[in-house]
Amino acid sequence: KAGVTQTPRYLIKTRGQQVTLSCSPISGHRSVSWYQQTPGQGLQFLFEYFSETQRNKGNFPGRFSGRQFSNSRSEMNVSTLELGDSALYLCASSLRQGANEQYFGPGTRLTVT
Amino acid sequence: GQQLNQSPQSMFIQEGEDVSMNCTSSSIFNTWLWYKQDPGEGPVLLIALYKAGELTSNGRLTAQFGITRKDSFLNISASIPSDVGIYFCAGPFYGGSQGNLIFGKGTKLSVKP
Repeated sequence: KAGVTQTPRYLIKTRGQQVTLSCSPISGHRSVSWYQQTPGQGLQFLFEYFSETQRNKGNFPGRFSGRQFSNSRSEMNVSTLELGDSALYLCASSLRQGANEQYFGPGTRLTVT
Repeated sequence: GQQLNQSPQSMFIQEGEDVSMNCTSSSIFNTWLWYKQDPGEGPVLLIALYKAGELTSNGRLTAQFGITRKDSFLNISASIPSDVGIYFCAGPFYGGSQGNLIFGKGTKLSVKP
């Protein structure tokens, strides 16, 4: 079974721009969660999507948003990029909403200059 | 709020040595997860624990769910070079809505020079 895939793997953007990251979960998994990983803050939960609805949200500003499609694929969007948004963005999939066993993709490394 | 404290922050290993690390919290957890992350990759789920006192093995890795439900331990026996990486403990965060994962800051395993 293929694992979680994320595209692109690397991205360089300029302050003020916006960016969209994509995630395809493991086949059969219906829940997708997004995390931000930085050296200072570690791994922090952004949001969770299940059945095309955001079910859970972490403590991030409204510039961070996401969506989920009917095939469970998910995208996250960051608008008006700031230097502090530079991070590894990780997507994780699980069988159902709020499931504890989450399986991560390789991440998208975003650099904001 | 819920926080996970991992120790040690880093350690050096020599091939063949046994390694121990732990994770503690001031709050009770109903699930403990252990992940390993290699450079440039997403975390990989190693072991999931669901019951206080539970001891679970995955090859040379053994993890225990502490009896107080506020801690967990991970042991690696007869370490090999590919054990190098960052090990994270994680547990479900129950804050306002359905739980999602919070992570410790990690224990970084490096090869002894």
